[in-house]
Amino acid sequence: DAKTTQPTSMDCAEGRAANLPCNHSTISGNEYVYWYRQIHSQGPQYIIHGLKNNETNEMASLIITEDRKSSTLILPHATLRDTAVYYCIVDYGQNFVFGPGTRLSVLP
Amino acid sequence: EAGVAQSPRYKIIEKRQSVAFWCNPISGHATLYWYQQILGQGPKLLIQFQNNGVVDDSQLPKDRFSAERLKGVDSTLKIQPAKLEDSAVYLCASSLVWAGRENEQYFGPGTRLTVT
Repeated sequence: DAKTTQPTSMDCAEGRAANLPCNHSTISGNEYVYWYRQIHSQGPQYIIHGLKNNETNEMASLIITEDRKSSTLILPHATLRDTAVYYCIVDYGQNFVFGPGTRLSVLP
Repeated sequence: EAGVAQSPRYKIIEKRQSVAFWCNPISGHATLYWYQQILGQGPKLLIQFQNNGVVDDSQLPKDRFSAERLKGVDSTLKIQPAKLEDSAVYLCASSLVWAGRENEQYFGPGTRLTVT
């Protein structure tokens, strides 16, 4: 079973920030949080990952709470091309367990 | 840098037939994964290779599925005989290391299998 909980779907207006939450209350101290997204008919695409500190790259920002029990992926200026299923994964250290993810729809 | 390559992209077969999928990982990546993704669900790991050795195949239906990674580079996944419930997208991924604390996996485009 997946170790994370995400909302089934979310909408976001084009140009606005998209904030995707993820709960991982059973995360252990050495496990990373990874975010991937999957655009229709493509393989999952790596976005970002983090352990304790907040992380930012050219695609997104990852905010991890101090107790590490939840995190938020932020797409600062969502575009129509960001419409996808977003997966939050806690890394066991061996393989990824994907849940159903959050279907993000960016609306014009 | 070239990504993970997979072929074919689409395959339609009848039940009880056999099928094979091919994957070429990113150059230098030691670890290779095969996932099955049924429509509406997240990918599920089938098998994981470290170089040419199997690390985890606990979720591979071994009565009909087999996989190999000869020479530690390319890999093939075979289904024989196929069942209707095998209709899915088969994804290949690779990563630089295994069981490291940071384990970014890079995915190919997948092969969509339809069993009729």
